[in-house]
Amino acid sequence: TAGITQAPTSQILAAGRSMTLRCTQDMRHNAMYWYRQDLGLGLRLIHYSNTAGTTGKGEVPDGYSVSRANTDDFPLTLASAVPSQTSVYFCASSALGYTDTQYFGPGTRLTVL
Amino acid sequence: SQQGEEDPQALSIQEGENATMNCSYKTSINNLQWYRQNSGRGLVHLILIRSNEREKHSGRLRVTLDTSKKSSSLLITASRAADTASYFCATDDSGGSNYKLTFGKGTLLTVNP
Repeated sequence: TAGITQAPTSQILAAGRSMTLRCTQDMRHNAMYWYRQDLGLGLRLIHYSNTAGTTGKGEVPDGYSVSRANTDDFPLTLASAVPSQTSVYFCASSALGYTDTQYFGPGTRLTVL
Repeated sequence: SQQGEEDPQALSIQEGENATMNCSYKTSINNLQWYRQNSGRGLVHLILIRSNEREKHSGRLRVTLDTSKKSSSLLITASRAADTASYFCATDDSGGSNYKLTFGKGTLLTVNP
C-alpha cells in the first residue's frame, strides 16, 4: 500500500507566486494534518482536518489554506509565497483523532526565493 | 515553550550499545508517542504509551512513562547502525488544546559501526 503520497518532492518558487502542495492517503483515515519542519523549531502544525468537509487552524496557519473535499485528499495552498515559507512540509493522517498514531508522507522541500 | 522536549539533543554511541533518550513535557496528557525520522524522510511512528501505562516494549524498544514527573524515556537496546536517526516525542494536551500533537525538537542519535 502507498500510505501517504506527497507531490512535488521539491520545488523552487519565486516569491509572490502561488503553489499547491498535494497530499493523498489511501488508508481511509478520518484525520489529516499539514506540518512544516524547520531547523531549530521542530515540527509545527499548519492546518488539520478531523474529517472530510472540515478543517481547522494549527499553530502557524497564516499564509496557508487547505481544503478537504473528500477523505483521501488534503491539499495545502500558498496563495502568495514569501521566503519565510521556505521549509520542508509534511502531510500526515491518523485513523481517528489527533491522539492516535500519525502516519507521515515523505515530505515536500519548498524553497521560496 | 515546548510541550515536549527531548534530552540529549545529540547522542553518539557504538554499535551494540544501548541508547537512552528522554522527553519532558508540561501538561497532563492522554498519550505520549515516539517517532523516528531518518535524514530527509518523513516521521515513522515507533510506539504509543497511554497515560495509565508505565512501560511498553516493542522489539528492541522500551518506553517508560512517569506522569508524576511528566517525563518519558526511550531505550533502544543493542543498537545498530540502521538506528541512526532523529527521535521525537509527541504529546497531546488532555486539559487544553484538543486538536494537535506537540512534537519536541528531537534527539539526533548516531550509531557508529
